Amino acid sequence: NAGVTQTPKFRVLKTGQSMTLLCAQDMNHEYMYWYRQDPGMGLRLIHYSVGEGTTAKGEVPDGYNVSRLKKQNFLLGLESAAPSQTSVYFCASSYPRPVRGGEAFFGQGTRLTVV
Amino acid sequence: GEDVEQSLFLSVREGDSSVINCTYTDSSSTYLYWYKQEPGAGLQLLTYIFSNMDMKQDQRLTVLLNKKDKHLSLRIADTQTGDSAIYFCAERKTPLVFGKGTRLSVIA
Repeated sequence: NAGVTQTPKFRVLKTGQSMTLLCAQDMNHEYMYWYRQDPGMGLRLIHYSVGEGTTAKGEVPDGYNVSRLKKQNFLLGLESAAPSQTSVYFCASSYPRPVRGGEAFFGQGTRLTVV
Repeated sequence: GEDVEQSLFLSVREGDSSVINCTYTDSSSTYLYWYKQEPGAGLQLLTYIFSNMDMKQDQRLTVLLNKKDKHLSLRIADTQTGDSAIYFCAERKTPLVFGKGTRLSVIA
């Protein structure tokens, strides 16, 4: 089982460049999430989706856009990267209601550096 | 992550017990979770507890839930160096709400 797969795993961008992070899950989960993790800040929610074709803002959505065109994929876009977006990005997915505890499954993360 | 609070650091000696504490704010949360993050990896579910339970034990792990005080704790018995990681408390909301994580350091 692949679970949640994020690509790429590492990326270095120049300020102003754009990129898309891809998250794919093979567990038929309805919910998907994008988080960023910074030292001392824990996990902060960027955007999330409760189903195909729907997205919602999280705690820190500015500078990011997302799309959920297919149930299994959740894309995170940076239109004009800034050094403040240097972080480790995690994608996660879960069932909508507690099933086996309703836990979220996480990808391995994407380490992004903006110079 | 403002709804769930945890201390940021904990240091214990190998073989001792570790207790990581968490407070949450939503008394209607149905499930509460503990996740573990090892260096360079994503988060993995360690254990969870349903809100109608006070305690759950799973091998070296004991989860205690005090709904009145909205307090959750994770006790790791006989802590090993392999337990060194960041531990996140989370509550079942849409979306999931995580604490900032407690970095556990185990001293040999």
